[in-house]
Amino acid sequence: AQSVTQLDSQVPVFEEAPVELRCNYSSSVSVYLFWYVQYPNQGLQLLLKYLSGSTLVKGINGFEAEFNKSQTSFHLRKPSVHISDTAEYFCAVRGSARQLTFGSGTQLTVLP
Amino acid sequence: NAGVTQTPKFQVLKTGQSMTLQCAQDMNHNSMYWYRQDPGMGLRLIYYSASEGTTDKGEVPNGYNVSRLNKREFSLRLESAAPSQTSVYFCASRDGLAGVGEQYFGPGTRLTVT
Repeated sequence: AQSVTQLDSQVPVFEEAPVELRCNYSSSVSVYLFWYVQYPNQGLQLLLKYLSGSTLVKGINGFEAEFNKSQTSFHLRKPSVHISDTAEYFCAVRGSARQLTFGSGTQLTVLP
Repeated sequence: NAGVTQTPKFQVLKTGQSMTLQCAQDMNHNSMYWYRQDPGMGLRLIYYSASEGTTDKGEVPNGYNVSRLNKREFSLRLESAAPSQTSVYFCASRDGLAGVGEQYFGPGTRLTVT
């Protein structure tokens, strides 16, 4: 079985500050990892994904994430956030089940 | 392309009523999914369809049925709605033949059961 833990349910941060949203996963097999973003009253859209290769993955809107196999983590980072980054962020893993398992989400609120 | 569309956007049901949530995609994807989203629980898979003509249970299938009507459409039916089914429902699709393709999500249906 696979599982995903997002350690912070709420992350407030001031505009132009850096942010890190944490994600840890557990799986007995190799995994594919994803970050999705959900803006208010909308569906989810893909920010970035790790399938293989370089452990540093760049996504849309200036976000990046680093896959760390030894720590089973896939933390999302942005060096300088904007008000428009306020949204809920979901980490997801696809392992042997071939289906996505989502974390519980992290609400990022960017303050002026 | 409209992507993934869902109808209705909002629905209020009384306990025991039935309804069908509709989902359609125009990306010629093979796989389609139904999720429910509840506060603090992320998205949980209800049912999925790996290809036309096949459906499988996900993590929380009780109280739901699905139909993969054709390659484009995947509906979710609540036969006898319960307050515990109050949630936001998302449909998604994926091109399963393109390796580990991303899932594309619809805008959601907000369902309240009173």
